[in-house]
Amino acid sequence: GENVEQHPSTLSVQEGDSAVIKCTYSDSASNYFPWYKQELGKRPQLIIDIRSNVGEKKDQRIAVTLNKTAKHFSLHITETQPEDSAVYFCAASYRGGADGLTFGKGTHLIIQP
Amino acid sequence: NAGVTQTPKFQVLKTGQSMTLQCAQDMNHEYMSWYRQDPGMGLRLIHYSVGAGITDQGEVPNGYNVSRSTTEDFPLRLLSAAPSQTSVYFCASGRDGEKLFFGSGTQLSVL
Repeated sequence: GENVEQHPSTLSVQEGDSAVIKCTYSDSASNYFPWYKQELGKRPQLIIDIRSNVGEKKDQRIAVTLNKTAKHFSLHITETQPEDSAVYFCAASYRGGADGLTFGKGTHLIIQP
Repeated sequence: NAGVTQTPKFQVLKTGQSMTLQCAQDMNHEYMSWYRQDPGMGLRLIHYSVGAGITDQGEVPNGYNVSRSTTEDFPLRLLSAAPSQTSVYFCASGRDGEKLFFGSGTQLSVL
């Protein structure tokens, strides 16, 4: 089955700086890669996703890049703000999520004032 | 439109007891799935369904049963609870080409 590795497990950045979280996946058939943000005690919330026919996608301060050849994808957050502090999860699926998602173990992002 | 509704929000069981976690969605979504979340482990897929009458196992199915008799409901059954099943459980639903919506979770403790 699919295996998703996520790094780093904890990331501390100064407010206003950029943050990058990286994930690798094992199954070349995977074609859907979402990123979720989870605040303490809350449900995961989708922040951005990318499909395998696209190399990059942006939404305001958030971007995701995908390298299918290397089987890795990354989340980029620019101009970080205190409200960006949370745990971020990457995931992969080969049926667009229909067969469920395989998640990475998460990155705890800490924004230092 | 309530989205994905999970009940109960909290539950304490004794080892060996059985119970059902309920999940219902009112968005006419084809896909539904159950995950468990443990500290440092991310979310792990238990079972999933691509439509009424169709279910399949995920990464960690042992100790759990599911059924999908209607499009709206996807209950998760623990037949004989074990302390290793102490976790937060999330249900999710979605349809082709769209994002998954997660429920608010059920926090389960097995003593």
